This record gives sequence, C-alpha cells and structure tokens, in this order.
Amino acid sequence: AQTVTQSQPEMSVQEAETVTLSCTYDTSENNYYLFWYKQPPSRQMILVIRQEAYKQQNATENRFSVNFQKAAKSFSLKISDSQLGDTAMYFCAFMNSGNTPLVFGKGTRLSVIA
Amino acid sequence: EPEVTQTPSHQVTQMGQEVILRCVPISNHLYFYWYRQILGQKVEFLVSFYNNEISEKSEIFDDQFSVERPDGSNFTLKIRSTKLEDSAMYFCASRHRLAGAMGSYEQYFGPGTRLTVT
Repeated sequence: AQTVTQSQPEMSVQEAETVTLSCTYDTSENNYYLFWYKQPPSRQMILVIRQEAYKQQNATENRFSVNFQKAAKSFSLKISDSQLGDTAMYFCAFMNSGNTPLVFGKGTRLSVIA
Repeated sequence: EPEVTQTPSHQVTQMGQEVILRCVPISNHLYFYWYRQILGQKVEFLVSFYNNEISEKSEIFDDQFSVERPDGSNFTLKIRSTKLEDSAMYFCASRHRLAGAMGSYEQYFGPGTRLTVT
C-alpha cells in the first residue's frame, strides 16, 4: 500500500520569505500523480499544484513550485514570497494512475508571520 | 467555474440517528469520492463510485455506510446509525475521467460537511 509522509507537523515563515515543505512517499508503481492541497481555517481543500510522475520537469504555479525527485520518492513544495493568506494546513497526496483514491499525508501546519 | 457543492455545511445529530450527506459533483465528471477528516487528523478515503456502483472502499466504510446517486446529479452518503466517532468533516470529490494524457486526473473537492454526533 502507498504511504505518504510529511515529517514537519508545523512550520513558520516570515512574510515575503521562502519556505519549503517536505513530503516523501512509498510506492512500487512507476506511473502516478502527486498533489499538494491547501486547507485554510475554513477547512476547504484547495488544490495548489500537481505533478505527473512521468514528467521530469518540476511543476510551478505562480509562487508555488515543487522539487520532484522520483528516485528518492520525494516531492517538496516551495512557497516563494510568502503571504499571510498562505497560512494553512498543507497536505501532500498521492494517486496511482487509474481510478484510485488519493492517499494523504498527515499535513504540515504553516504559519506566515507578519 | 464549475464547483462541487455539499449540503448541509454543518449537521448535528444524536447518536444512533441516520444522516444523509449530499453532494452535487461537477456536471461532466464521472468519478465520485467520499473522504472524511477527523478534527486534527489527515484526510481518509471512504469510498469511490463510478458507473452507478462502488468501485473501491476502505475499511472505514462498513455496513453502516452507503452511497447512492439517485437522480444523475446528487451523490449521497448515508450513515445508518451514527456513532460518536463518526464526528468529522466529510468531503465529496469528483473527477472527470480516467487519469492519463488525454484526461484530467485532479479530484475537485467540495467545501465539506461538518458532522457532529452528540
């Protein structure tokens, strides 16, 4: 079974600084998808960024980028120019190809400090 | 932009009562999911649904749970006899079609229903 590990329960960063959230996963599959979801205090799950395992290029979405290391099974999220609105829980998630459910990590609580 | 909707946003019920949580997935999506999140914990998969039948379910999804797509738009989760430990946030999600280069694989989440069992 696939597992997702987020080793940082809590992190904080100063506004306008850069922060990296780590995620590792375990799978024997070769084709899969990785995601970062943001959960603000409203508890809505918001997709931040996605990465297909068959793509070598790291995904980027504005201030959010990933460092995908397939051999190391690592998928970290970098947030540049952190903003107060980035304060939230961040969940790393894994999905096999096909109609399979998402497997989530336990989350990292990020606080952006003014 | 189309979105997944869920009702109610908050449901309070007494232990032993039946509850039905409702979801309206995005209209051209074919795969539907229920997840739950106990406060302070990670999001856990409950069940997936495709072509009017359950395609996969977790150990959490026991005989007390059922899902239905009664009218082609709503997707419901029923808990037959609620327990205190069913208190959680329940998320519905939907996805367009098979993951792959020609399809979309992202799951879009609704805002959740907070279920409180007293």
